Amino acid sequence: ETGVTQTPRHLVMGMTNKKSLKCEQHLGHNAMYWYKQSAKKPLELMFVYSLEERVENNSVPSRFSPECPNSSHLFLHLHTLQPEDSALYLCASSLWGSSGANTGELFFGEGSRLTVL
Amino acid sequence: DQQVKQNSPSLSVQEGRISILNCDYTNSMFDYFLWYKKYPAEGPTFLISISSIKDKNEDGRFTVFLNKSAKHLSLHIVPSQPGDSAVYFCAAKGAQKLVFGQGTRLTINP
Repeated sequence: ETGVTQTPRHLVMGMTNKKSLKCEQHLGHNAMYWYKQSAKKPLELMFVYSLEERVENNSVPSRFSPECPNSSHLFLHLHTLQPEDSALYLCASSLWGSSGANTGELFFGEGSRLTVL
Repeated sequence: DQQVKQNSPSLSVQEGRISILNCDYTNSMFDYFLWYKKYPAEGPTFLISISSIKDKNEDGRFTVFLNKSAKHLSLHIVPSQPGDSAVYFCAAKGAQKLVFGQGTRLTINP
């Protein structure tokens, strides 16, 4: 099992569809993240969950709805998306703790390439 | 306001020579800086990091330099190899979050 697994790897959906992206981590981490990567833009942090509580929500539209049922699983529910939401969605995990010895290293999955028609 | 910037979208280097990737930041509260490498159709993978209290960290062919007064860091790869061709992201850690730059596409030419 790889450290962070994302499914599906590719998703094409219409603007009226409802779909979900799934992420699973096998590293024993206690924090999980959703990032969005669009062409020629920085990786944009969308949501952070620490110990299954959402601790960050970076002004993401409500058509994106995260869910973290336990420390190993993270979902991103998608509803009535727009074509400009087409991007690579990356899940990551880390150890969330004191800053003293925590380099902040994130372990990423391979991403889910989303195309909205 | 973008806190971490990589001003060169692309860089082309001959195999065997040194590759230097640059990154600038604005927030003096960042306590760690990291470099990630990304191949197409894969997630970013961690490469090397440096604490804000250091000015250099070396790991094999990879060295990261930090100039706190200039709020600038750089990644040196020497010698450059074809497998180093990828997109490199600079990231800075503050308040338990990583802030990423836009990335620099490095191409190593034979």
